[in-house]
Amino acid sequence: GQQLNQSPQSMFIQEGEDVSMNCTSSSIFNTWLWYKQDPGEGPVLLIALYKAGELTSNGRLTAQFGITRKDSFLNISASIPSDVGIYFCAGQPGSSNTGKLIFGQGTTLQVKP
Amino acid sequence: DSGVTQTPKHLITATGQRVTLRCSPRSGDLSVYWYQQSLDQGLQFLIQYYNGEERAKGNILERFSAQQFPDLHSELNLSSLELGDSALYFCASSPAGNNEQFFGPGTRLTVL
Repeated sequence: GQQLNQSPQSMFIQEGEDVSMNCTSSSIFNTWLWYKQDPGEGPVLLIALYKAGELTSNGRLTAQFGITRKDSFLNISASIPSDVGIYFCAGQPGSSNTGKLIFGQGTTLQVKP
Repeated sequence: DSGVTQTPKHLITATGQRVTLRCSPRSGDLSVYWYQQSLDQGLQFLIQYYNGEERAKGNILERFSAQQFPDLHSELNLSSLELGDSALYFCASSPAGNNEQFFGPGTRLTVL
């Protein structure tokens, strides 16, 4: 089945540093979404991308929909302690006409004050 | 708060039993999705309903079933429970024509 390869698996950074994570696939996707999940809670939608090449920002977060439609990245600038959590990419497969999402395995981010 | 509600928050039961998880979508959202999250499998899509009709199926076991009612709330029924069914179960909803899915707080199911 379709899979998303998300990297890195985990990151441990200093407060104030910038962070970058990405997702890649061998298949094309129509939509890319980025979520953040805190322990014991549901994923929270951060950014949604709908067009190849699209670059969208949400505060200190910036995400891009890869031009090949097979990848996406998320950048967090000037990280702060509350950025700690697990970040997931999710994509709607290009072959799908439903809302089914495929999720990456997540990037665990830890920020040292 | 996403506007999606799920009950119960926690559920502890025994193998072989049957449970029902409930989800109320955000006001106005017609689509409801169910996902299972376990430590070794990540977030796995189970099933989607749109305005009462099944729209898409993922890796949902035959022991599991779901439905969406006229008031748009949804229930996920899990039967003949096994130890491996222990996981977080999330419901998400999205408006018509939009893939932005908003997740509820989840139900943590523990099968002993």
